Amino acid sequence: LAKTTQPISMDSYEGQEVNITCSHNNIATNDYITWYQQFPSQGPRFIIQGYKTKVTNEVASLFIPADRKSSTLSLPRVSLSDTAVYYCLVGLYSSASKIIFGSGTRLSIRP
Amino acid sequence: NAGVTQTPKFQVLKTGQSMTLQCAQDMNHNSMYWYRQDPGMGLRLIYYSASEGTTDKGEVPNGYNVSRLNKREFSLRLESAAPSQTSVYFCASSSTRTPAHEQYFGPGTRLTVT
Repeated sequence: LAKTTQPISMDSYEGQEVNITCSHNNIATNDYITWYQQFPSQGPRFIIQGYKTKVTNEVASLFIPADRKSSTLSLPRVSLSDTAVYYCLVGLYSSASKIIFGSGTRLSIRP
Repeated sequence: NAGVTQTPKFQVLKTGQSMTLQCAQDMNHNSMYWYRQDPGMGLRLIYYSASEGTTDKGEVPNGYNVSRLNKREFSLRLESAAPSQTSVYFCASSSTRTPAHEQYFGPGTRLTVT
């Protein structure tokens, strides 16, 4: 199983760009990288997923270097509402088994 | 379109009591999951059902049973509740037409076992 390592917490300010890096040194060839966001008292919400290089959607960007041993979630111009826990997951595209969320990164945004 | 719904929202049990947590999704998803989340921790997969009629163990299945009643519904049963099962339980679903990790979660059931 590909284990992931993320910072426990991060702080930033409104309007800044925030980058959260996840380490996954033993990622397998067929593994994809997925990020979730979780607000207090809510279920996680899917943010973005990728396999290599860069993926961008309306919410975030995901940067994956060529060796795929890490990935960076980039949140542009954060606001107070981006305060949440962010989880990085690694696993097979087509398999639901062995999904491991880890402890995530608690992001706090200040005015 | 309600997405994933869970009942009840809150439950308090005494040690040894049993209960069933209900989950339903209206997105026509094939796969459904049950997770638990302890305070300050990430989610851990209890059981999942890749398709109607199949169920498989996840990371922490002991003390739980599941039933995939039909394509929409996936229930989680605690036969004899223990204080260690105090947690927030989340149900999720995903489509086979998208990556398995793109899951949609319900609002959770907060369970306390005394």
